[in-house]
Amino acid sequence: QKEVEQDPGPLSVPEGAIVSLNCTYSNSAFQYFMWYRQYSRKGPELLMYTYSSGNKEDGRFTAQVDKSSKYISLFIRDSQPSDSATYLCAVTQGAQKLVFGQGTRLTINP
Amino acid sequence: NAGVTQTPKFQVLKTGQSMTLQCAQDMNHEYMSWYRQDPGMGLRLIHYSVGAGITDQGEVPNGYNVSRSTTEDFPLRLLSAAPSQTSVYFCASSNTGIYGYTFGSGTRLTVV
Repeated sequence: QKEVEQDPGPLSVPEGAIVSLNCTYSNSAFQYFMWYRQYSRKGPELLMYTYSSGNKEDGRFTAQVDKSSKYISLFIRDSQPSDSATYLCAVTQGAQKLVFGQGTRLTINP
Repeated sequence: NAGVTQTPKFQVLKTGQSMTLQCAQDMNHEYMSWYRQDPGMGLRLIHYSVGAGITDQGEVPNGYNVSRSTTEDFPLRLLSAAPSQTSVYFCASSNTGIYGYTFGSGTRLTVV
């Protein structure tokens, strides 16, 4: 069993839709949670990080963590074509080792 | 401010050849890591470092060596390239680790 499971998609939605991206993890020792966005042929860029259960908002993006269910989500409101990318969740116990999900490829159609 | 710089961007190697992938950061970050990205596998940790002179193995270290003689540089050496090492390699750095890493733009390696 992989430590982090993420539906690889692809996911295609119309512009303006609310997008929900999800990951589950198996080890309750993971305490820090991140979402990265990766455009084609580019390196991942950090979107959001959080370390507590609950919601964290940043503009159109909301990261949600449920430690009791070992479930993390990223919501994108008012999605734009420029949001089309692969989204990767990542978890870690400490500073050194990030464990990534497989990534979800998202396309926002104008 | 360049961030994390990786060279080369593309490389083709023959089986058995060796090479070094370069990674440099100018943010004075203590934590540096190497990942490989393969289709359907996400990013997998190869080696990491928590400061100059300190390195350790990640999830997939076989066939790779690292060293960290300075805070800025963290090269990855392929000892004897194999087709299974065909991948995209990313270097990343962080000052805290737990609040996220900054990634380079990657090296696309093909071993024939």
